[in-house]
Amino acid sequence: AQKVTQAQTEISVVEKEDVTLDCVYETRDTTYYLFWYKQPPSGELVFLIRRNSFDEQNEISGRYSWNFQKSTSSFNFTITASQVVDSAVYFCALSPSGNSGYALNFGKGTSLLVTP
Amino acid sequence: SAVISQKPSRDICQRGTSLTIQCQVDSQVTMMFWYRQQPGQSLTLIATANQGSEATYESGFVIDKFPISRPNLTFSTLTVSNMSPEDSSIYLCSVYTDTQYFGPGTRLTVL
Repeated sequence: AQKVTQAQTEISVVEKEDVTLDCVYETRDTTYYLFWYKQPPSGELVFLIRRNSFDEQNEISGRYSWNFQKSTSSFNFTITASQVVDSAVYFCALSPSGNSGYALNFGKGTSLLVTP
Repeated sequence: SAVISQKPSRDICQRGTSLTIQCQVDSQVTMMFWYRQQPGQSLTLIATANQGSEATYESGFVIDKFPISRPNLTFSTLTVSNMSPEDSSIYLCSVYTDTQYFGPGTRLTVL
């Protein structure tokens, strides 16, 4: 069975602060994918990143960075210099890996509010 | 990548009626997924739909309540039958190409 835990339900920061969203996962699969999605108030899910379990390199994309630590089963997401437009619910998700695709197991999400 | 559209984008329905949600993808995909997101909650998988075979439902979801069609590799429908207020949710379809993409969702309110 797979499980994703996002312990932070809500986070509130002031603009320009850095913020880290935590994600801890459980799986018995030897290979798997980890994802982060953003859901703004409009409701659509915006894909941010997919990480293969084989690739433990951290990734940076603009103000976004991800820290994957297999040893602690964590895949944390940091937003640097947060902006009001970053306000959204962020979901971490997990799936088995494979060419045909699998459904995702989602965490409960972290609601981020960035105030001016 | 994949571009997914859903119809309707939102609807308000009466208890006891049914609503069919359409999902259209801009490329051929083997598997399509239907998720439900209840208010303030995370996404829960309803079923997986492969073209040419019956959908596979997750625990807690049954075909009589959520019948799914998958007539071809770019299209699927999900019907929410005999609706009650507890069915008020966002319903999202998803496909896998190079990664997992989601449609914009159908926001359903049942009165």
